[in-house]
Amino acid sequence: DSGVTQTPKHLITATGQRVTLRCSPRSGDLSVYWYQQSLDQGLQFLIQYYNGEERAKGNILERFSAQQFPDLHSELNLSSLELGDSALYFCASSGGGVNYNEQFFGPGTRLTVL
Amino acid sequence: GIQVEQSPPDLILQEGANSTLRCNFSDSVNNLQWFHQNPWGQLINLFYIPSGTKQNGRLSATTVATERYSLLYISSSQTTDSGVYFCAVFPTSGTYKYIFGTGTRLKVLA
Repeated sequence: DSGVTQTPKHLITATGQRVTLRCSPRSGDLSVYWYQQSLDQGLQFLIQYYNGEERAKGNILERFSAQQFPDLHSELNLSSLELGDSALYFCASSGGGVNYNEQFFGPGTRLTVL
Repeated sequence: GIQVEQSPPDLILQEGANSTLRCNFSDSVNNLQWFHQNPWGQLINLFYIPSGTKQNGRLSATTVATERYSLLYISSSQTTDSGVYFCAVFPTSGTYKYIFGTGTRLKVLA
């Protein structure tokens, strides 16, 4: 158990809908990262937050947004969903351990868009 | 941007065999991690190894940052070692983000 929690584990929805994925980092970690893993794209970095502020952005679509709250949990919002958004979405956290940038991953949310 | 290549892409072993997985990267990095993604999709930390050598049980890793590669050694492989092994690098230049390699898919046969 990495200490990072993600909910829900599975999500099935229809095209055009909007969903919210939730992540709670390890105790003491200030940074939260979101990744998307799809069959044809591998693991892609989406966005990073550090102590509530956006720190780095990757290949995140405009239909997607994220935020980190004062209690450090983070949410990833996906809207106007398309079939191609079906993927495994991971959250990772870092910052509270001996190795500052070492990332620990949650179990992921498997999103299926029908 | 930085390129991260892993080899081999696929590997099939008999239980008890040893293997070496390689990760090459095209630019200097501050950090490097190895992960194991098990058949259930979980990403498990194996090593945080920006340089040097580390060992954890049957697994060990070596990173030679000056030559831009890292190796993961698996000895006496077990069926539970099956899955995909990823290296991820944190480039020295550019924004704060990890770049993942394409992975090595390992299958260990009983």
